[in-house]
Amino acid sequence: DGGITQSPKYLFRKEGQNVTLSCEQNLNHDAMYWYRQDPGQGLRLIYYSQIVNDFQKGDIAEGYSVSREKKESFPLTVTSAQKNPTAFYLCASSIFGEQNFGPGTRLTVT
Amino acid sequence: DQQVKQNSPSLSVQEGRISILNCDYTNSMFDYFLWYKKYPAEGPTFLISISSIKDKNEDGRFTVFLNKSAKHLSLHIVPSQPGDSAVYFCAAKTGGGNKLTFGTGTQLKVEL
Repeated sequence: DGGITQSPKYLFRKEGQNVTLSCEQNLNHDAMYWYRQDPGQGLRLIYYSQIVNDFQKGDIAEGYSVSREKKESFPLTVTSAQKNPTAFYLCASSIFGEQNFGPGTRLTVT
Repeated sequence: DQQVKQNSPSLSVQEGRISILNCDYTNSMFDYFLWYKKYPAEGPTFLISISSIKDKNEDGRFTVFLNKSAKHLSLHIVPSQPGDSAVYFCAAKTGGGNKLTFGTGTQLKVEL
């Protein structure tokens, strides 16, 4: 079964700690994306990667970092520099046009 | 600068009636538009799309209409069912790229 896996579903961290969110896909898609969803703000693009070993900042990249060492994997690190890290994070992949989304990770930082 | 706008945060419709969700865009370079459906605490799922060379695309109960001159698209769901209750996002992209710009979403509630 092809798809996108995000783990864990829920994540809790203390303020000041970095945290890495996992995203894996077995769809053989070249492009991968990270979004965050906040109430009333839709989906905002954090980072995206069109190909292995290359990635670009999205609209709200400050306080986040990514890597793309393998085609299947695109982990997102939420650093302590991110002022409002509590959100629902969504990973997606695409080969053309339509993006396929993972189930999301709810991160809560207190 | 919100390039894709969904001005109605919520919509309530009776079961069996038509639901019409609207989306406006400002970037004239957008040439491909998509609608996604999202349930709480889940990832969005793709519903239907339309290329700028068309003005209508239909898939079962879902039809998307595109009015390029008005920079407006709409999603019609008929007949509406309780399982359609979700947040609907409009998205757009330009040229051959894969990057999507999303609207803020419309919460649809289909009542019995």
